[in-house]
Amino acid sequence: SQQGEEDPQALSIQEGENATMNCSYKTSINNLQWYRQNSGRGLVHLILIRSNEREKHSGRLRVTLDTSKKSSSLLITASRAADTASYFCATDAGASGNTPLVFGKGTRLSVIA
Amino acid sequence: GAVVSQHPSWVICKSGTSVKIECRSLDFQATTMFWYRQFPKQSLMLMATSNEGSKATYEQGVEKDKFLINHASLTLSTLTVTSAHPEDSSFYICSARALDRTVSIDEQFFGPGTRLTVL
Repeated sequence: SQQGEEDPQALSIQEGENATMNCSYKTSINNLQWYRQNSGRGLVHLILIRSNEREKHSGRLRVTLDTSKKSSSLLITASRAADTASYFCATDAGASGNTPLVFGKGTRLSVIA
Repeated sequence: GAVVSQHPSWVICKSGTSVKIECRSLDFQATTMFWYRQFPKQSLMLMATSNEGSKATYEQGVEKDKFLINHASLTLSTLTVTSAHPEDSSFYICSARALDRTVSIDEQFFGPGTRLTVL
């Protein structure tokens, strides 16, 4: 399965600043999801945005989706040291129950207190 | 929310031995489970799709005879790494999609992962 690209690969910001991560993908999708992963730990599902949606909010998270450009962005506002983690986008190409998620390469975010 | 468990959470074994990893959906049924592998500082790579009652579908480059997958019930899939070698050391993560709408069918629910270290 081909992975999408995420940029930046690594991002270091000060606490309180906003963090923006971008994701591009290659195929048509049913939905796109963002996950967080702390070092050596499992995945935490953050947000799901469907192909017919353009923007979605959840707390300090804002996700946009541009299907014409095959890209998505994740914005974390007012970042905290606890937001330090790797963030992955994952695309779901099918509406059936047997399609896997295809993960991007991820962005490693460091929030410095 | 839906819960997927994995067992064991970590395992250390000697080269040449086989290791079995279990993936269970605890509060929903899943006809399809997925196995991913993640090397340090890399993303998740899909290894195989596990279908209840039928053979697994492996991604290109994944040896089906080395990574045996059994999906014997609607709540359990197992991955057996046979004749493990140090290069098989990795973080193995399973996920499951719900069979019906008792939980979200859009989401995949991920297990916490299994850290395999082969000496």
